[in-house]
Amino acid sequence: GQNIDQPTEMTATEGAIVQINCTYQTSGFNGLFWYQQHAGEAPTFLSYNVLDGLEEKGRFSSFLSRSKGYSYLLLKELQMKDSASYLCAVRRFSDNYGQNFVFGPGTRLSVLP
Amino acid sequence: NAGVTQTPKFRVLKTGQSMTLLCAQDMNHEYMYWYRQDPGMGLRLIHYSVGEGTTAKGEVPDGYNVSRLKKQNFLLGLESAAPSQTSVYFCASSPRRQADYMNTEAFFGQGTRLTVV
Repeated sequence: GQNIDQPTEMTATEGAIVQINCTYQTSGFNGLFWYQQHAGEAPTFLSYNVLDGLEEKGRFSSFLSRSKGYSYLLLKELQMKDSASYLCAVRRFSDNYGQNFVFGPGTRLSVLP
Repeated sequence: NAGVTQTPKFRVLKTGQSMTLLCAQDMNHEYMYWYRQDPGMGLRLIHYSVGEGTTAKGEVPDGYNVSRLKKQNFLLGLESAAPSQTSVYFCASSPRRQADYMNTEAFFGQGTRLTVV
């Protein structure tokens, strides 16, 4: 089966740094994606990792260790607008060039002034 | 630049009624997906399609059917709605992978909030 775990909720202060962890056990793994979802809105893409290591994108960075089944999303210089849910998703490849995404339960981040 | 468009945005059904949710994308993507999102459970894959005329089951397919007659459209049908199908439904699309390391991020529609009473 597929299993992806994330903390349910996190709280941090404006201007601080926060790390959101994600662990996974899935078959057909080929990439770890992070999405942001504000309340009542659609998820939007933040970053992805296919190989081990750190990917940096402005205030956001994502890390992947395939051997440990582990990823994290790092948010720096937190702003109030970063209050949202952060979804970890595994991209799975199947036969005939098929693919789908399996999502974790999401981490709701609250940024306090 | 519409991206992924879902209709309707809201709907209330009575138990046993049927309905179809429509998803349309204008990005020429090969892959399309239907997810449902429930509190505390994240996005769960219902069905997906890797191309026109093809469909496949996801994690929670029971009670739903899909069709992909045209590349740009992916329809989700509920034949006999049940209260357990009360949820927010998201459609998404992504490009076909040309290489293993290619970014094939999924683009999401704005969601359909369905209530079955």
